[in-house]
Amino acid sequence: ILNVEQSPQSLHVQEGDSTNFTCSFPSSNFYALHWYRWETAKSPEALFVMTLNGDEKKKGRISATLNTKEGYSYLYIKGSQPEDSATYLCAFDNYGQNFVFGPGTRLSALP
Amino acid sequence: KAGVTQTPRYLIKTRGQQVTLSCSPISGHRSVSWYQQTPGQGLQFLFEYFSETQRNKGNFPGRFSGRQFSNSRSEMNVSTLELGDSALYLCASSLEGSSSYNEQFFGPGTRLTVL
Repeated sequence: ILNVEQSPQSLHVQEGDSTNFTCSFPSSNFYALHWYRWETAKSPEALFVMTLNGDEKKKGRISATLNTKEGYSYLYIKGSQPEDSATYLCAFDNYGQNFVFGPGTRLSALP
Repeated sequence: KAGVTQTPRYLIKTRGQQVTLSCSPISGHRSVSWYQQTPGQGLQFLFEYFSETQRNKGNFPGRFSGRQFSNSRSEMNVSTLELGDSALYLCASSLEGSSSYNEQFFGPGTRLTVL
């Protein structure tokens, strides 16, 4: 059974703070890792697809890195804003058969 | 381009009943996956349909079934509902499903409450 973990489960930051959280996944037979952002009452929205060891992706103030050898990915948010408040999900792409999601990190960015 | 739509958005049923949820994928997408989210759990994969065939299946009992039509719209059925089936059910569509790191686009979900 594939196990994907995320930490922390939740965190509160002040507006302007930078923060990061972790997704851990099996390091063997890696195919791809996806990051999603899920705001309350909305649909999960894709942020990044990470495929190669050492990948770094960036979208505005949000960036992500990937280490497939040790089985982790970091998501960074620079200068948090209240609109960044959401649950951030990572999903291990099981060779296209299905996505195995982590439990998510709930971020509250307070003004 | 219209996004993924799911109907109904909210549903209340009683134990023992059956329910059918519907998902219309983005135009041109042929893969539809279904997920369940219960409090405290991450998104759990139910099954994936591609070109009217179930291609992958998660670890759920046979009470959970689905189908896909020729226009790629998909339905999910749960028979003999149990209290534990109360959850948010999300569907996601993608172009091909497997291969090429296909991004999945999610619908807004159907909130099912079983009383």
